[in-house]
Amino acid sequence: DAKTTQPTSMDCAEGRAANLPCNHSTISGNEYVYWYRQIHSQGPQYIIHGLKNNETNEMASLIITEDRKSSTLILPHATLRDTAVYYCIVRRIGNEKLTFGTGTRLTIIP
Amino acid sequence: DTAVSQTPKYLVTQMGNDKSIKCEQNLGHDTMYWYKQDSKKFLKIMFSYNNKELIINETVPNRFSPKSPDKAHLNLHINSLELGDSAVYFCASSQGRGGETQYFGPGTRLLVL
Repeated sequence: DAKTTQPTSMDCAEGRAANLPCNHSTISGNEYVYWYRQIHSQGPQYIIHGLKNNETNEMASLIITEDRKSSTLILPHATLRDTAVYYCIVRRIGNEKLTFGTGTRLTIIP
Repeated sequence: DTAVSQTPKYLVTQMGNDKSIKCEQNLGHDTMYWYKQDSKKFLKIMFSYNNKELIINETVPNRFSPKSPDKAHLNLHINSLELGDSAVYFCASSQGRGGETQYFGPGTRLLVL
């Protein structure tokens, strides 16, 4: 599976949109982009995933560039409960494994 | 209703002991996983079972033995515990084995003294 690069940490003001970038320049055509987050002392939580089209669900939006080499996770109205480590994971279709990197520690500031 | 549950939540034990961690999922999934998160917070897959069949076995010491009595349960037995086994162990499950979304349990915090 392709490697990903994320900033180590980010801050965002409460109520604003949090935009978390991820680079995956070696991604292949058969690899999805997944986002998970881990709130302190909890298990990882699935957020969203996509292949090449932008995706939106009740938690977030995922914007994937046309060349698929990078993506952005958007939390539209961040709350204090969104403080967590966010993991961007590239995963080949049919691969059972999730390979977690170091993620981005997002802190929502009141 | 907890989707993926683990017991115990905390486990403190002495070196050399044998211990088990249990995992149950009520999602009707047929694939289950064990992950280990060490003190540096790296999260790595250890095992995966699909319909009680082992499908992933990463480089894990033989002291770790997963057991799946049915597809809703995946237990992890650890023999001769070592200090380095101290970590948080997460169970997860997914529908199917082809890269479906995985849902994680709350974790079991193991401390070996």
